[in-house]
Amino acid sequence: AAGVIQSPRHLIKEKRETATLKCYPIPRHDTVYWYQQGPGQDPQFLISFYEKMQSDKGSIPDRFSAQQFSDYHSELNMSSLELGDSALYFCASRRASNVLTFGAGSRLTVL
Amino acid sequence: QQQVKQSPQSLIVQKGGISIINCAYENTAFDYFPWYQQFPGKGPALLIAIRPDVSEKKEGRFTISFNKSAKQFSLHIMDSQPGDSATYFCAASNNNAGNMLTFGGGTRLMVKP
Repeated sequence: AAGVIQSPRHLIKEKRETATLKCYPIPRHDTVYWYQQGPGQDPQFLISFYEKMQSDKGSIPDRFSAQQFSDYHSELNMSSLELGDSALYFCASRRASNVLTFGAGSRLTVL
Repeated sequence: QQQVKQSPQSLIVQKGGISIINCAYENTAFDYFPWYQQFPGKGPALLIAIRPDVSEKKEGRFTISFNKSAKQFSLHIMDSQPGDSATYFCAASNNNAGNMLTFGGGTRLMVKP
C-alpha cells in the first residue's frame, strides 16, 4: 500500500540558509499535517492543510511557511535557519477519519 | 502546559512480561486516543486507538484501558518481546478541532531477552 512520502530524507544546512521539505500524502488523502520532533522529544504540531487550505496552525515559527498544492502534495519552507531548527520533520496525512499516517520523516541538521 | 502527560519516561521489562504505559489528559473535548510506536529514525506508526465510548480495546497483545471520569488511558503490552523495544507515544485529538494530534512525552521501552 502507498505510504506518505517525504523528501529529502536527510538535509544539512548552514545557519541562516533556507530549506524546503516536501510531502506526498497517501493518494486520496485530503488533509496533511506537519510535525517537528526534536531529539528525545515528542512530535509537536506545526501546521495542517485541508483541501489545499490551511486548516490549523500550531507552534510554527514565523520563519516557516507551508502550502498544499493542487496535487495535494505539501511543502514546508524554512528560512533563516537556526541551530534549534535541527529536528526530524514529519508529515502525516488522513482522509475522513481520525487515523493519521506518518511519513518516515526528514532529518534536518543545521550547522 | 502539556495537555497530555505520559509516564513513565522509560521502562525496562523482561521478555514475556507486561509493559504498562499511562497517560492523562486535560482537554475534555478530546474524543480520539491513539497510541503510536516509533522506532529510531522512523515515523510514528499507529498501534491501536480508542474512543471514549468504550472502556477497553484489545488487539492481539496490545490493550488500551480508558477511564473517562479520571481522564486517563493506558497501554498494556502482554507477553512483551524484544522486538517491542521502541518509543511509545500516547496522543489525543478532537474531531471538531482538525484532528491534529497532541502527543504525550513518550516512553522509551526496552524489553530484555
